[in-house]
Amino acid sequence: DTGVSQDPRHKITKRGQNVTFRCDPISEHNRLYWYRQTLGQGPEFLTYFQNEAQLEKSRLLSDRFSAERPKGSFSTLEIQRTEQGDSAMYLCASSLGYSWGQDTDTQYFGPGTRLTVL
Amino acid sequence: DQQVKQNSPSLSVQEGRISILNCDYTNSMFDYFLWYKKYPAEGPTFLISISSIKDKNEDGRFTVFLNKSAKHLSLHIVPSQPGDSAVYFCAALRKAAGNKLTFGGGTRVLVKP
Repeated sequence: DTGVSQDPRHKITKRGQNVTFRCDPISEHNRLYWYRQTLGQGPEFLTYFQNEAQLEKSRLLSDRFSAERPKGSFSTLEIQRTEQGDSAMYLCASSLGYSWGQDTDTQYFGPGTRLTVL
Repeated sequence: DQQVKQNSPSLSVQEGRISILNCDYTNSMFDYFLWYKKYPAEGPTFLISISSIKDKNEDGRFTVFLNKSAKHLSLHIVPSQPGDSAVYFCAALRKAAGNKLTFGGGTRVLVKP
């Protein structure tokens, strides 16, 4: 049973460049979440998908950010025209989604992609 | 507007003793509360959760207590082990809000041998 995987683990880029991160959730998990964590803070919600549908986007997700989950499996998060303030750890999590008799829906996190914008 | 707060940024405890981590929240609509543990360069790992309709949940060395009237929860680790040294995050969710997690700022725990 493989967990959530993210690629790349580290990304260093220059301000103004575009970057794309990939997340592969646990197989058969219907929900996929993106969070961002800056130094000394807890993760903050960015967006989430139910299968291929993007159901919510945080106001933290500016127009420069876009996320997709085209076939309801892996997801990508793209940041255009990166800024130094985008430097953070980007975390992906997946969950099964509620099913009959299930009381809660635990999210399992990947190792994250650490982005450094110079 | 920080809905979930962990007021102690760090905690140091002797191996074998009890670690108590605290968390306060402001939103009475939260349905579930969770604790995650995070090692450096890894993603958060789920530890234990509690429904808002319960006041205690136990799993091995980990027990979470919920005091709804005080909007406060705590995680007890007994006995503490050196491998428990990590950052612990308290989180909360609302089912009606897509289960997105709202995290506290974390508490760094150091267990001394």
